[in-house]
Order: sequence, then C-alpha cells, then structure tokens
Amino acid sequence: DAKTTQPPSMDCAEGRAANLPCNHSTISGNEYVYWYRQIHSQGPQYIIHGLKNNETNEMASLIITEDRKSSTLILPHATLRDTAVYYCIVRALLNSGNTPLVFGKGTRLSVIA
Amino acid sequence: GAVVSQHPSWVICKSGTSVKIECRSLDFQATTMFWYRQFPKQSLMLMATSNEGSKATYEQGVEKDKFLINHASLTLSTLTVTSAHPEDSSFYICSARDLLNRGTYNSPLHFGNGTRLTVT
Repeated sequence: DAKTTQPPSMDCAEGRAANLPCNHSTISGNEYVYWYRQIHSQGPQYIIHGLKNNETNEMASLIITEDRKSSTLILPHATLRDTAVYYCIVRALLNSGNTPLVFGKGTRLSVIA
Repeated sequence: GAVVSQHPSWVICKSGTSVKIECRSLDFQATTMFWYRQFPKQSLMLMATSNEGSKATYEQGVEKDKFLINHASLTLSTLTVTSAHPEDSSFYICSARDLLNRGTYNSPLHFGNGTRLTVT
C-alpha cells in the first residue's frame, strides 16, 4: 500500500471548516483513500473513503486531486467534539482480500472555542 | 449497523496473571477480525489477524504464545494476554468488516472501543 504523509497537528476554530491534507504521491490506480479518526481513548471511527471522485457524506467531504497524489478531508463546521487524531490511509483493493489497515501517525486536530 | 463491541473496556491485573479480552461483532458475522495495540502517544500497530475456525496469523515480533487468540464463532474473537508484565500495558483494539451485508473488501473496517490494560 502506498505511503501517506500528513501534518502532525492542526488547529481549527470552532464553527469553521477544518481542511486536513494528505499526500500520497506514490498511490497506484487500484488504491483507495480512507479517512478514519480516533477520539482520545476510543477506537478509530470510519469517516469516508474514495477512489478518484470527490465524496461527501453526513460527516465530511473528501476531495481528491485529479492526479490522485493528494487529498483533503473537509469537516465543514468543526465542533469541539471533532478534536481527534485523523488518519489518512491508502489501501489497494484488487485481489487484496479482507486485509487490515495500516495506520500512520495521523494529524492531531484541535478544535478551539 | 456494523457494531463491534469489546469487553472489558479497562482492566488492571497483577504481573504474572492472564487477562482475556473479548471482541464481538454485534450485528454481523465476521470470519476475520484484526487485533491492534496502541501505546501512549503512538499509532495503532497490527498484532494479529484472527480467523474463525483456524489459527491466527501474527505480525512479526508478536509472540503467539503470549497473546493467545481464539476465534471460535463468527461473532466472537478473544485475545488472552498470558503471564502479563508491565510492558504489556497498552490499549488493545479489535476490528472487523461486515462483508455479508456490504459484500466488498473495500467496505469500512469497524473498530471496537478498545480495552485499556494496566499491569501492575
């Protein structure tokens, strides 16, 4: 699976959009981009995933660049409860079977009142 | 849907004793479950892959005789930390995919809320 690079930490004002970047310059054509977050002392929570098109759900939006070498997770109106470590993970799917996720260090997002 | 439950959420045990952690898929069946470990201020590290009805697969550096995994049913996997030592104190997390209802390997991995083990 391709390696990802994320900033170690970010701050965001409450009510503003939080834009979390992820670089995955070595991503290959059959690899999806997944985003999870981990609130302190809890298990990771799935947020969203995509292949090449932008995706949106009730939690966030995922913007993937046309060359797929980077992506941005957008939390449109951050709240204090969004304070967490956010993980961007790239995972191949074709013939990969039921395989685990490999977590990097993620970005620690602090939402400030 | 796709809820994974762990029990206990925290446990304190004395050095030399064994501790069992349960991981259940509450509303789906999981032939495969994944066990992770997380030390303070670090990321999750995969320990082992638990397969229903067969032996678990352990990651390099994880002692299979120390971390016993049993996946006896399609909804339950257990991790037993045997002869626990203070260095085993960590946050243990299990996860699984709902392949039956989602049907594809790109479906999200669902995680339990973890078990914090403290060995004194």
